[in-house]
Amino acid sequence: EADIYQTPRYLVIGTGKKITLECSQTMGHDKMYWYQQDPGMELHLIHYSYGVNSTEKGDLSSESTVSRIRTEHFPLTLESARPSHTSQYLCASRGSGRGYTFGSGTRLTVV
Amino acid sequence: GNSVTQMEGPVTLSEEAFLTINCTYTATGYPSLFWYVQYPGEGLQLLLKATKADDKGSNKGFEATYRKETTSFHLEKGSVQVSDSAVYFCALSDLEGYDMRFGAGTRLTVKP
Repeated sequence: EADIYQTPRYLVIGTGKKITLECSQTMGHDKMYWYQQDPGMELHLIHYSYGVNSTEKGDLSSESTVSRIRTEHFPLTLESARPSHTSQYLCASRGSGRGYTFGSGTRLTVV
Repeated sequence: GNSVTQMEGPVTLSEEAFLTINCTYTATGYPSLFWYVQYPGEGLQLLLKATKADDKGSNKGFEATYRKETTSFHLEKGSVQVSDSAVYFCALSDLEGYDMRFGAGTRLTVKP
């Protein structure tokens, strides 16, 4: 039973389109994260948030932006999608016990 | 900074074979250690964890022991099944901020 939800699961869009990937969690976690996963499987942190109105860039430079207006919601936006943005995007949240809970991911293809 | 080094894959085994995936870490203080599993088309799921030295995490027949003296957290399973085919990630986390560090992942394929 998933407590963190990502939509859509799959998305194919044209170059130049604006898109928003949704991530919501029902656990009341303050810390949330976005990872980009390359075909080689490695995870790259692109954004994180420690709570409402808190957002930071991660280790990997990304052209995406995030917002955190509500605790449960952490959407990621690409203003103008490019083929180089094609990837799997994983959202996670962190509660007590230091572990992360991950969503099922959004597989984005930009054509 | 904190980091995790994980055995490179891919690993291919026959059903019922013994599995070891090596993981070593570099960290200050006393991190918690984790193994996550990612099945095809899914996000990562927590497989097991250990929060202090000599702790053994276990789940679904998988085990890993937190070895501070060798800074290791190797994943083992005595008899793998086809359904264990997935990508396995070793990770560590301390108390501060976003500092969950993941290894590069090891793809396991189990053949019947």
